[in-house]
Amino acid sequence: DVKVTQSSRYLVKRTGEKVFLECVQDMDHENMFWYRQDPGLGLRLIYFSYDVKMKEKGDIPEGYSVSREKKERFSLILESASTNQTSMYLCASSPLGGGPNEQFFGPGTRLTVL
Amino acid sequence: AQSVTQLGSHVSVSEGALVLLRCNYSSSVPPYLFWYVQYPNQGLQLLLKYTTGATLVKGINGFEAEFKKSETSFHLTKPSAHMSDAAEYFCAVLGRGSTLGRLYFGRGTQLTVWP
Repeated sequence: DVKVTQSSRYLVKRTGEKVFLECVQDMDHENMFWYRQDPGLGLRLIYFSYDVKMKEKGDIPEGYSVSREKKERFSLILESASTNQTSMYLCASSPLGGGPNEQFFGPGTRLTVL
Repeated sequence: AQSVTQLGSHVSVSEGALVLLRCNYSSSVPPYLFWYVQYPNQGLQLLLKYTTGATLVKGINGFEAEFKKSETSFHLTKPSAHMSDAAEYFCAVLGRGSTLGRLYFGRGTQLTVWP
């Protein structure tokens, strides 16, 4: 069974802390994605990566960075967490493009910044 | 460029009634189209996808969607709603030939099913 796992389901952090969200996939996918999900706004793409050490900004990259040192792992970093980053964070992966490749999603991390 | 519009952020139906969730897309190239479902406190799960060929696509849990190029639509239907269908539904588009595999999602439709 294919899987995308995220390091935490729930996380509570304080303003100003550095926060790491980890995502691991076991499908040997080239593409990996980080989204945040807020009520009424749907999924907004933060960053994505199509290869190790490669990254592309999505629609809302401000306040975030990412790291992809290994093919199976994609990390989202909040350099200095703020209350407006309280949200649900979803990771996804897909094979290299060109075809109708669906994205496979992890269960999400609900982050609260106090 | 691609984008998706989902008409109606909330839809309520009675158990046994028809479910219709609307999706219109915009794409500068022929699209691949997807419907995902998200149950409470879970990630997204693929319901169905349109690639090529038959424009009526059947998915899991009795859902289906029809690709209408002339209307740039990909509406999701189910003949008879069940309580377990209560969830949030997302429509997404992928431009054919896209090498980066980026999906463009709509804002989602929350489906409520009344007993």
